[in-house]
Amino acid sequence: KNEVEQSPQNLTAQEGEFITINCSYSVGISALHWLQQHPGGGIVSLFMLSSGKKKHGRLIATINIQEKHSSLHITASHPRDSAVYICAVRLGTGNQFYFGTGTSLTVIP
Amino acid sequence: KAGVTQTPRYLIKTRGQQVTLSCSPISGHRSVSWYQQTPGQGLQFLFEYFSETQRNKGNFPGRFSGRQFSNSRSEMNVSTLELGDSALYLCASSLEGGIGREAFFGQGTRLTVV
Repeated sequence: KNEVEQSPQNLTAQEGEFITINCSYSVGISALHWLQQHPGGGIVSLFMLSSGKKKHGRLIATINIQEKHSSLHITASHPRDSAVYICAVRLGTGNQFYFGTGTSLTVIP
Repeated sequence: KAGVTQTPRYLIKTRGQQVTLSCSPISGHRSVSWYQQTPGQGLQFLFEYFSETQRNKGNFPGRFSGRQFSNSRSEMNVSTLELGDSALYLCASSLEGGIGREAFFGQGTRLTVV
């Protein structure tokens, strides 16, 4: 059983659409990261959350600690948003993460 | 400020050989963790080092090992390579593992075992 579940696994959207990716986890966490991975491999951390909501440009991330759930929203999606989005949770005080399987997003012009 | 640097970016090795990968964290970061990414298993935690000590270890065989130097640079070594070790190996650094400490990831080393 995976400690971190993401949905959907694959998502295709038209440019301009509002997109939501969900992440549920089954363990107590100290923080949750939303990561973006483009073809070629490099990973960029979009958000780190331990409570509430954060916004960077067109990206919004929320977390509900009681419900063990987080969402990543992309408003006015653009083809350059096409990437794999990965939810990662940190347990305890170490730097050990557990990862979701990722959501592959394709935004069509 | 420079990001997390992993070298080499690409590597091809033959089954049975050993390989050493390097990760230079962001200046001032003392925690370095390593991950393996494969199409079948996704991202999996290998180990974490903090101040030259291994703090946590994932569920990987003893062929996978690592170390951290006094300047916080870290290396991981895989001995007796198997075809299944072909993967993207990522490292991440943070000031120290802990609540509120954001982790930064490198570009990864793509290892192909033939």
